[in-house]
Amino acid sequence: DTGVSQDPRHKITKRGQNVTFRCDPISEHNRLYWYRQTLGQGPEFLTYFQNEAQLEKSRLLSDRFSAERPKGSFSTLEIQRTEQGDSAMYLCASSFRDRGLNTEAFFGQGTRLTVV
Amino acid sequence: DAKTTQPNSMESNEEEPVHLPCNHSTISGTDYIHWYRQLPSQGPEYVIHGLTSNVNNRMASLAIAEDRKSSTLILHRATLRDAAVYYCILRDGAYSGAGSYQLTFGKGTKLSVIP
Repeated sequence: DTGVSQDPRHKITKRGQNVTFRCDPISEHNRLYWYRQTLGQGPEFLTYFQNEAQLEKSRLLSDRFSAERPKGSFSTLEIQRTEQGDSAMYLCASSFRDRGLNTEAFFGQGTRLTVV
Repeated sequence: DAKTTQPNSMESNEEEPVHLPCNHSTISGTDYIHWYRQLPSQGPEYVIHGLTSNVNNRMASLAIAEDRKSSTLILHRATLRDAAVYYCILRDGAYSGAGSYQLTFGKGTKLSVIP
């Protein structure tokens, strides 16, 4: 296992179309996060899973966004009816929590979405 | 999470030490200081973190002021591969239970390394 894997790396879609991204975390990590990053800004938190449970959602995650993590392994992030404002880099990260201690987050290389 | 303040950009000559400052005057007693960096076209990468004492690892050193209101990330010998955006982040270590490891990124410091 070489790290967090995201697919696809790039996606160009027309406004109004639905898109889905996949994230495969580091295998023993029980925590998975999605972030969004626009040009010139730092990443912004979207949502967080502990195993298969989605425990936190940012107000940035509108109704058009949905994330899942079935069986607590890989995760998908779907955006419905894409808008030009959704154009960004979508980053996935994973980490491990053991005995109340948080370890650092490991990020994937991201999926760059362009809505035209 | 408490807010941090970093310079927008810095330059360093290759093979010289680099000191990246971060101010966090509203830090609480349970806030850990984390540093991540983001190379061009990559996701962020963990660098180092600490609470009160200075910390060293293979990538960098973290010097924390006695009052903890500021810290400095030290790259002992900058290489071209160190050119990146460096983020200083505070994370509440008292957050427990089902709480997440959510990171609140600012704009960071863009480090340029001159050959």
